[in-house]
Amino acid sequence: SSELTQDPAVSVALGQTVRITCQGDSLRTYYASWSQQKPGQAPVVVIYGKNNRPSGIPDRFSGSSSGNTASLTITGALAEDEADYYCNSRDSSGDHVVFGGGTRLTVL
Amino acid sequence: QVRLQESGPGLVKPSGTLSLTCAVSGGSISSSHWWTWVRQPPGKGLEWIGEIYHTGSTNYSPSLKSRVTISVDKSNNQFSLRLNSVTAADTAVYYCARGNHGDYTHWFDPWGQGTLVTVSS
Repeated sequence: SSELTQDPAVSVALGQTVRITCQGDSLRTYYASWSQQKPGQAPVVVIYGKNNRPSGIPDRFSGSSSGNTASLTITGALAEDEADYYCNSRDSSGDHVVFGGGTRLTVL
Repeated sequence: QVRLQESGPGLVKPSGTLSLTCAVSGGSISSSHWWTWVRQPPGKGLEWIGEIYHTGSTNYSPSLKSRVTISVDKSNNQFSLRLNSVTAADTAVYYCARGNHGDYTHWFDPWGQGTLVTVSS
């Protein structure tokens, strides 16, 4: 399969820890990368590779992977983390890119 | 700091051709990256359209492959998207992005600001 599956919506209490997951066969070969998208804005990458954060991304964002599942963890969620989060990876052939359907994170 | 900027018509008629250009500044399009188009229908998720390397090598989404052409213009440091036979389902915000690759990983950074293309008569 070349699809990536995400939960449509997740909520977290302010200051708590939340994990957003992404499942797919391609993740047995490739690491997922994670992008954050706020309303009316372009996506911004927050995690790529095994667990790499681009410059400027807070260290409360981290990534992990096991089998066919990749996870994005936000430790100590802030109100500003409320956004849509998308995973993506190369597909199993390596010739294409696939996105997950996105997870809307609500910070309560 | 590399920046990407999309440009093109915001309105395309059904059965027509959607054409967009992405200007790259602050860096060379001949660098080792995959220059990519992604779209997002209103209220929906991201969809990968395709990518091009500066050598002209391309990869396209299987679902769009029959209608898509991505090309690169090294002299103007830009790349372009053409999507033929458009319908209302092609209405979306179209983003260009730089694809970065490492050991078993691929990520997009930076992204353009996006441009809304509406297919309507």
